[in-house]
Amino acid sequence: EPEVTQTPSHQVTQMGQEVILRCVPISNHLYFYWYRQILGQKVEFLVSFYNNEISEKSEIFDDQFSVERPDGSNFTLKIRSTKLEDSAMYFCASSRQWGQGAFGSGTRLTVV
Amino acid sequence: KQEVTQIPAALSVPEGENLVLNCSFTDSAIYNLQWFRQDPGKGLTSLLLIQSSQREQTSGRLNASLDKSSGRSTLYIAASQPGDSATYLCAVAPNAGGTSYGKLTFGQGTILTVHP
Repeated sequence: EPEVTQTPSHQVTQMGQEVILRCVPISNHLYFYWYRQILGQKVEFLVSFYNNEISEKSEIFDDQFSVERPDGSNFTLKIRSTKLEDSAMYFCASSRQWGQGAFGSGTRLTVV
Repeated sequence: KQEVTQIPAALSVPEGENLVLNCSFTDSAIYNLQWFRQDPGKGLTSLLLIQSSQREQTSGRLNASLDKSSGRSTLYIAASQPGDSATYLCAVAPNAGGTSYGKLTFGQGTILTVHP
């Protein structure tokens, strides 16, 4: 069964460094999302992406964050200058229709 | 702003028991509601999706109901097994039109432990 793939599974970075989290959505999906889950807290929506542009973004998704679909298969989340509070599990999801996504297994980002 | 609450926060039951997990949401203008399973350190697996026009969905030993007007959903698990141990999350998609359908709001989850 097709699945959403995320790499790396765990990334440790120094505060202030840039990180890029990578996702390969399911191939015939058109809608792409990033969510995050801080340890012990709810899963939170960050951004949705369709037709090569951002569709919706939350208040968390500030200028430090950006998303890109560089080559038609990958979907990336970039955090420009990481802060300690960016430490979380980041989930990528994709779907053929709005609101019915398949989620990846996540990237655990640890900022030290 | 949509708020999703799940009760109980944790549940421990012996194998074989039937159980009910509860989810409530504050804004009834939803597009759909999903129940997910999350295993420790793993991703989210969608279990059941109920469209706003539906009352329930069933998959194997799982049955989810939706009462949109009262802002409630329940997930019923029949004949629980140790392999059902996981965190169960409820999430709603807003019916605000257009691209907002993809913006899921999650509850904090119910941690289920089924012991042999």
